[in-house]
Amino acid sequence: QVLLQESGPGLVKPSETLSLTCAVSGDSISRYYWSWIRQPPGKGLELIGFISNTGNTNSSPSLKSRVTISRDMSKNEFSLNLRSVTAADTAVYYCARNSGGYGDYGMDVWGQGKTVSVSS
Amino acid sequence: DIQMTQSPPSLSAYVGDRVTITCRASQTISTYVSWYQQKPGKAPKFLIYAASSLASGVPSRFSGSGSGTDFTLTISSLQPEDLAIYYCHQSYNFPWTFGQGTKVEIK
Repeated sequence: QVLLQESGPGLVKPSETLSLTCAVSGDSISRYYWSWIRQPPGKGLELIGFISNTGNTNSSPSLKSRVTISRDMSKNEFSLNLRSVTAADTAVYYCARNSGGYGDYGMDVWGQGKTVSVSS
Repeated sequence: DIQMTQSPPSLSAYVGDRVTITCRASQTISTYVSWYQQKPGKAPKFLIYAASSLASGVPSRFSGSGSGTDFTLTISSLQPEDLAIYYCHQSYNFPWTFGQGTKVEIK
């Protein structure tokens, strides 16, 4: 059984960096693509970006200048850094596994989500 | 970016009804569409991939169809546990995008 678990601070101050980690068990991050998705309160789903099985990354153009996605193969986990946060970044943050050869079959396994609030 | 427009935004139906949700892409996307179910306070659940393939463990009352720009998710016989918001998603072009969601309620 593949399990994903997000971890990190639940409260971040404006202008600081939001940092989250997704620990993967039951699969290797050297397989598949792995994504970060967020959901502001009462709103829909927004893709943040992904890291591929080979370590390539890509991020949504609207967030690209503030986002870094990385991985730690020794811990089988991948991470999200979102810089210069504002209240608009308050959301539930999900990590997910992308199925398909290039992640193109959608997100078949999701973490439970991490609520992150941006407030002073 | 490819826009995914879902309709209706919400619907209310009786247990046992057939329910159809539509998703229209702003450009052709072959069959690179997946569907998700999100219950209150929970993470989304993978239902359908490649427009019409049922994900593992998903009840057979769920089905998907379509190609090009128009896609549908059908629940053949609505059950009380199907109360949720349903999202379509395209993975044809990056940035991958989601529809705005359809809220399904039980009458």
